[in-house]
Amino acid sequence: DAGVTQSPTHLIKTRGQQVTLRCSPISGHKSVSWYQQVLGQGPQFIFQYYEKEERGRGNFPDRFSARQFPNYSSELNVNALLLGDSALYLCASSLELSHPFSGANVLTFGAGSRLTVL
Amino acid sequence: KNQVEQSPQSLIILEGKNCTLQCNYTVSPFSNLRWYKQDTGRGPVSLTIMTFSENTKSNGRYTATLDADTKQSSLHITASQLSDSASYICVVSGTGGYNKLIFGAGTRLAVHP
Repeated sequence: DAGVTQSPTHLIKTRGQQVTLRCSPISGHKSVSWYQQVLGQGPQFIFQYYEKEERGRGNFPDRFSARQFPNYSSELNVNALLLGDSALYLCASSLELSHPFSGANVLTFGAGSRLTVL
Repeated sequence: KNQVEQSPQSLIILEGKNCTLQCNYTVSPFSNLRWYKQDTGRGPVSLTIMTFSENTKSNGRYTATLDADTKQSSLHITASQLSDSASYICVVSGTGGYNKLIFGAGTRLAVHP
């Protein structure tokens, strides 16, 4: 049974370019959230989507956008890349929209996409 | 300001030894606390979750404690194994959904033979 899958696993971009990261949630999971993890720090919340609608947004600039598709997969887009955008981008899925740490609502992470901006 | 602070930042122990990782938080109101294990190059994997009313919870060789009064949690690893080498991240949840998930910076544990 596949877990949360993310692609690409690694990518290198230059400043000013745009990047799209993809995430496929666990089968049956309807909620997807995105996190940015800079080296040596804990993940920072970027977005949460449920049923194709944005349900939460962290403190990130408008250069960051995302969407969720009818099959519950999701894309994270980052425009006008900066050096500081270099990080591991994690996707996590859960069954429902209810609080992520509620009893049955386990938050499961993918392995991440490591973005390097030169 | 809601914060989660973990200590030590890094730790080296010998295989078979025990260790304890600390997590102090200032998140309020508090909902629950979870410990995650993150192997290098992988996503975090949940070890345990604790709610306000729980003091201790075990998962195999991992035992987490929570003192909601002092806002402190610890993760105790017993009889460490080489595979325990990873970063251990404390995540505290306030009320209000995903925006209230506060992640610590993690403790990097290295278990040497």
